[in-house]
Amino acid sequence: EVQLVESGGRLVQPGGSLRLSCEASGFTFSDYSIHWVRQTPAKGLEWLSFLLGNYETLYYADSVRGRFIMSRDNAKRSASLQMNRLRVEDTAVYYCVRGWLDNTFDLWGQGTLVTVSS
Amino acid sequence: EIVLTQSPGTLSLSPTERATLSCRPSQSVAGNYLAWYQQKPGQAPRLLIRSASIRAPGIPDRFIGSGSGTDFTLTISRLEPEDFAVYYCQHYEQSKWTFGQGTKVELK
Repeated sequence: EVQLVESGGRLVQPGGSLRLSCEASGFTFSDYSIHWVRQTPAKGLEWLSFLLGNYETLYYADSVRGRFIMSRDNAKRSASLQMNRLRVEDTAVYYCVRGWLDNTFDLWGQGTLVTVSS
Repeated sequence: EIVLTQSPGTLSLSPTERATLSCRPSQSVAGNYLAWYQQKPGQAPRLLIRSASIRAPGIPDRFIGSGSGTDFTLTISRLEPEDFAVYYCQHYEQSKWTFGQGTKVELK
C-alpha cells in the first residue's frame, strides 16, 4: 500500500525538543520530495519544510527556520523533523507529505499531534 | 509572499446542488500553480485539482477547477453526501508553499 506514517507526537514542555518520524511504503521513496505541513484550528494548514529526494535542496518556512531541522534517509525510506526550542504556538497536527513535480502535495500521512504546554 | 483568500468561509447547501468556491491570490499566479484539496473531519487533506484545472487520479468529474491570475474557482457540479468537507487552495512560488484558510461546505 502506498502510504506515509508519522510518529513521535506527544506532549512536550515549552523550550523542549521533539523528533517526528515519517515512514514511507509502496513507492520509490528517493524519487520524491518530502514536506512537513502542520495544521491548527487557528492558522489552518501551514507548510514547514521541504527536502528533495536527492537531498540537494532543503527549504524552511520563516516560522521554523533555525529551530526545526528536516532530514531523510532514502535507504531507510524515512524522513524526520527535529523540533527544538518548541513554543506553545507549535501545538498542531504535523503531517508528512509527498511532493509532486508540480509543487502539489499528492500523498499525506495521517498526522501526529504535538502539544506544547507546561 | 502571496496570500490566498478563500470565500465564502462557509457554504450551506443540499445534496445535488452546485457548489462554487473561490480562491483569490493577492498577486497574479504564474504558471497556474494553484491546487485544491478536500479535508474531511479526522482525515488528512486529499489532492483534488492541480495546475488550476487538472483533476488528480480518481477524482470524480463533478469536481471542476478553473481560473487564472488572481481568480480561481472550484466548482462541485452536483453535491454528493460525501462532498461535505473543508476545501483548501494552495500555491507555490519561490521556495514557499501557501494555503488558503479554507471553505467549509456544510449540509443545509
